[in-house]
Amino acid sequence: GEDVEQSLFLSVREGDSSVINCTYTDSSSTYLYWYKQEPGAGLQLLTYIFSNMDMKQDQRLTVLLNKKDKHLSLRIADTQTGDSAIYFCAEQGGFKTIFGAGTRLFVKA
Amino acid sequence: EAGVAQSPRYKIIEKRQSVAFWCNPISGHATLYWYQQILGQGPKLLIQFQNNGVVDDSQLPKDRFSAERLKGVDSTLKIQPAKLEDSAVYLCASSGRSNYGYTFGSGTRLTVV
Repeated sequence: GEDVEQSLFLSVREGDSSVINCTYTDSSSTYLYWYKQEPGAGLQLLTYIFSNMDMKQDQRLTVLLNKKDKHLSLRIADTQTGDSAIYFCAEQGGFKTIFGAGTRLFVKA
Repeated sequence: EAGVAQSPRYKIIEKRQSVAFWCNPISGHATLYWYQQILGQGPKLLIQFQNNGVVDDSQLPKDRFSAERLKGVDSTLKIQPAKLEDSAVYLCASSGRSNYGYTFGSGTRLTVV
């Protein structure tokens, strides 16, 4: 069945760039998403990319999609302590969305 | 616009007891989802409604879980009887035609002891 995999942890220094990676298995995915979850809160949609795009930039966020390798990445420029959270990759094919287990981003001051 | 409302925020019950969660989606969102998020894992879909009809409940443990969305607006999720492994955060989300992705509520953290 469909699966989404992410590394569990990432630690960066404040001001550096963060790159969070994700791989997925469903080649018929139409949309791919990045969500952010802060402690005690629900998931917040950060950005999304259509499967026919390679890249999308939104302020400090850059999403790269390699459809051939089924690899998605989220780059956060100038990472701040407020970016510390869990980041979930999700892929949507049809009406179903599958989430990864999340990458916990630690930002050191 | 108002977000997705969920209640209660926290619930502690003993195993074999019953519990119910409530969700009010964003106004006008036809699709409503209930997800279970176990600590350290990503959300897992339990049930998806389109208006008041069920689209997908393939991962809902129907022997103990039930959900309804009678008027196509708010929804309740019930567990009866609860097991220890039901301890998780139960997230409600909604989506509409004109937006991408889902809007999530803050969730209900259930602890079964």
